Amino acid sequence: DAGVIQSPRHEVTEMGQEVTLRCKPISGHNSLFWYRQTMMRGLELLIYFNNNVPIDDSGMPEDRFSAKMPNASFSTLKIQPSEPRDSAVYFCASSAKGHISGNTIYFGEGSWLTVV
Amino acid sequence: GESVGLHLPTLSVQEGDNSIINCAYSNSASDYFIWYKQESGKGPQFIIDIRSNMDKRQGQRVTVLLNKTVKHLSLQIAATQPGDSAVYFCAAPGDQTGANNLFFGTGTRLTVIP
Repeated sequence: DAGVIQSPRHEVTEMGQEVTLRCKPISGHNSLFWYRQTMMRGLELLIYFNNNVPIDDSGMPEDRFSAKMPNASFSTLKIQPSEPRDSAVYFCASSAKGHISGNTIYFGEGSWLTVV
Repeated sequence: GESVGLHLPTLSVQEGDNSIINCAYSNSASDYFIWYKQESGKGPQFIIDIRSNMDKRQGQRVTVLLNKTVKHLSLQIAATQPGDSAVYFCAAPGDQTGANNLFFGTGTRLTVIP
């Protein structure tokens, strides 16, 4: 079975440019998560969706960040305008029910973003 | 919110020895804990989980121990192999009822010396 699929795997962009990261969750999963990983702050939850509805976006750093989930098989995380401090690895993850019933959260391979 | 942390940022062990990675958490109401393994250039992978009504759970070469009294859990890896070299994270759910997000510790980098 295909896991969580993220694109692009690597992106280098100039400060001020718009960045769009994409995610396809595991088929049948109804929870989707966006995490950011940096050396300084570790893995941070940015936002998560249940059944395509954003449940908690309190981790989104600021208004420059936005996330959408137009359908059960696709989500985007957008940064506009990007800044060098946004450089990080962005992970998308999905699960069948979230953690409550012990359903595992499965992570994608990450999108490695560098803003110069 | 929940806070999880790890005692040591790095751990080096000899191949064949047992490894013990520790984690502390803050929320005594946490009812579920997970260990993830992250290899270089990859996303975190689920290793093993444990519910708060258990104090021990075993998998293949891995054992998780939970001590609710001191809010501590550990991951034990038996006969550590070079392929076990990775960063290990403990994670626990958010403190909101019904929350299905996870908070991660800072990770322990395990290096296996051949």
